[in-house]
Amino acid sequence: AQSVTQLGSHVSVSEGALVLLRCNYSSSVPPYLFWYVQYPNQGLQLLLKYTTGATLVKGINGFEAEFKKSETSFHLTKPSAHMSDAAEYFCAVTEFTGGGNKLTFGTGTQLKVEL
Amino acid sequence: GAGVSQSPRYKVAKRGQDVALRCDPISGHVSLFWYQQALGQGPEFLTYFQNEAQLDKSGLPSDRFFAERPEGSVSTLKIQRTQQEDSAVYLCASSFTGETNTEAFFGQGTRLTVV
Repeated sequence: AQSVTQLGSHVSVSEGALVLLRCNYSSSVPPYLFWYVQYPNQGLQLLLKYTTGATLVKGINGFEAEFKKSETSFHLTKPSAHMSDAAEYFCAVTEFTGGGNKLTFGTGTQLKVEL
Repeated sequence: GAGVSQSPRYKVAKRGQDVALRCDPISGHVSLFWYQQALGQGPEFLTYFQNEAQLDKSGLPSDRFFAERPEGSVSTLKIQRTQQEDSAVYLCASSFTGETNTEAFFGQGTRLTVV
């Protein structure tokens, strides 16, 4: 079975600083990887996804992630944090069972942005 | 509708009570998923429908959990004889197809509290 590990349940950065949220995955087949953001009392919103092709993926709100097969990683970055980025972020991997693309999520990283 | 709609948003149930949670997916979406998100955790897969067919129910935690999608659109997740450990946010997601790289759109969830 596939799995996702997110290092750091809480990350705090200053406004304008680099954001780095870590994600490592385990998969026996080429994975499809996703980052979702969840604001309080809201559902999950897709930030970006890696399927095939270019390993550096750009998403919404200035976020990007790089798929590194050799490191089994898919870390999320943003050059300059904004107060509105404060939320919970989930990394996920698709496990295709032949009956749909269900997602396996990490435990999440709460991002706090300070003035 | 424009997005995935879930109702009710909040539900308080007494232990032992039966509950029914509703999901209205995006019109035309073939695939529908239910996830359970416990406090401080990432969402965990419960079950998957392709149209009206329930193709994967491997994540349902017990036989008290039952899901249906009789006409291939609206889905209901039913929990019988609720227990305190059932307290969680229940998320519904839909996608246009069941292809691995297809984006899943999430509803805002139903927060179930069992007292």
